[in-house]
Amino acid sequence: EAGVAQSPRYKIIEKRQSVAFWCNPISGHATLYWYQQILGQGPKLLIQFQNNGVVDDSQLPKDRFSAERLKGVDSTLKIQPAKLEDSAVYLCASSLRRGPDTQYFGPGTRLTVL
Amino acid sequence: GQQLNQSPQSMFIQEGEDVSMNCTSSSIFNTWLWYKQDPGEGPVLLIALYKAGELTSNGRLTAQFGITRKDSFLNISASIPSDVGIYFCAGQLANAGKSTFGDGTTLTVKP
Repeated sequence: EAGVAQSPRYKIIEKRQSVAFWCNPISGHATLYWYQQILGQGPKLLIQFQNNGVVDDSQLPKDRFSAERLKGVDSTLKIQPAKLEDSAVYLCASSLRRGPDTQYFGPGTRLTVL
Repeated sequence: GQQLNQSPQSMFIQEGEDVSMNCTSSSIFNTWLWYKQDPGEGPVLLIALYKAGELTSNGRLTAQFGITRKDSFLNISASIPSDVGIYFCAGQLANAGKSTFGDGTTLTVKP
């Protein structure tokens, strides 16, 4: 079974530029999560999708971050414009269903904002 | 919001030693999870705990769900070099899939 795929693996941009990350969850997984992991900290949830609907985006800085999951499969996370403090690893995870369930994480995208 | 306090922040041990780390919360969780993260990778689930007082093992790893539902610990016995990495605890609430993570314990094992 293929795992969660993410691209790109690394991205370096200047502040005020835009960037987008892509995630392909495990086939059949209805729930998809985007987490932000700042160096030295644990992952922090940004947004949770159930199929193509948003379940929780309370921690998403909506003035600059947006995410979508068209057709309930792949998802993209966008930052526009980026700030220095957005430098982090962005992790995508998926699980079979909503609720306490095993989440499988992708390798992440490491973003550096200069 | 909920916060998890994970300790110790880092550990340096000799190969063959046992390791213990714990996680405490200001609020109750219904599920406790322990993950390991290697450099450049996402967290990988080690053990999941679903019931207060539950003690679960996975090879050399043992974890317990505290009876107050506000804490959990992870033990690693007879450590080996490949145990090196960052260990995260995470809590989940019923009907909510999202996990709240601690800030991790970095484990270094000296051969």
